Amino acid sequence: NAGVMQNPRHLVRRRGQEARLRCSPMKGHSHVYWYRQLPEEGLKFMVYLQKENIIDESGMPKERFSAEFPKEGPSILRIQQVVRGDSAAYFCASSSGTGTDTQYFGPGTRLTVL
Amino acid sequence: GQNIDQPTEMTATEGAIVQINCTYQTSGFNGLFWYQQHAGEAPTFLSYNVLDGLEEKGRFSSFLSRSKGYSYLLLKELQMKDSASYLCAVRDGASKIIFGSGTRLSIRP
Repeated sequence: NAGVMQNPRHLVRRRGQEARLRCSPMKGHSHVYWYRQLPEEGLKFMVYLQKENIIDESGMPKERFSAEFPKEGPSILRIQQVVRGDSAAYFCASSSGTGTDTQYFGPGTRLTVL
Repeated sequence: GQNIDQPTEMTATEGAIVQINCTYQTSGFNGLFWYQQHAGEAPTFLSYNVLDGLEEKGRFSSFLSRSKGYSYLLLKELQMKDSASYLCAVRDGASKIIFGSGTRLSIRP
């Protein structure tokens, strides 16, 4: 049973470019969460999605950031016109939505903006 | 508001026991999680508490007191591989989880 998959693992972009981060949830999971982690800091919630729906985007910056989880394919976190401050590790987690609804994390994408 | 507090760093000796405390204030409470995160890696799930009391899982135990807004993670028979950050997290409402900043635990021989 494959875990949460994220790609790419490392992404380098120049200021002003776009970054696309992908997340495939664990098999059987339909809930996806995105978090950002700066060095030496905790995880900051960004957005919670179910298939084709954004449930909670209260942690998402209002501009340049968007997320989707289409009916088919992975969830995408998109950052437009990246700036140096966007450099961070972006983790995706998934859960089943039932029972304890524990979130399981992917390996993360480390974004570096030059 | 929402606030989760845990010590920034702790040091313990191999073979010993260490307790990592966490206090929280959230508008809603729907369970508390502990995760382990090694440097440069993803968080991995350790434990979940939703009712008061102690949950034991091997060398790790987690305790919750909802009335006090307090939890601790107890690690026994410490091993060098236990050197990691330990994240306390509270589910606030239906699914959103709020994480503390983590406690960096160093194990010395």
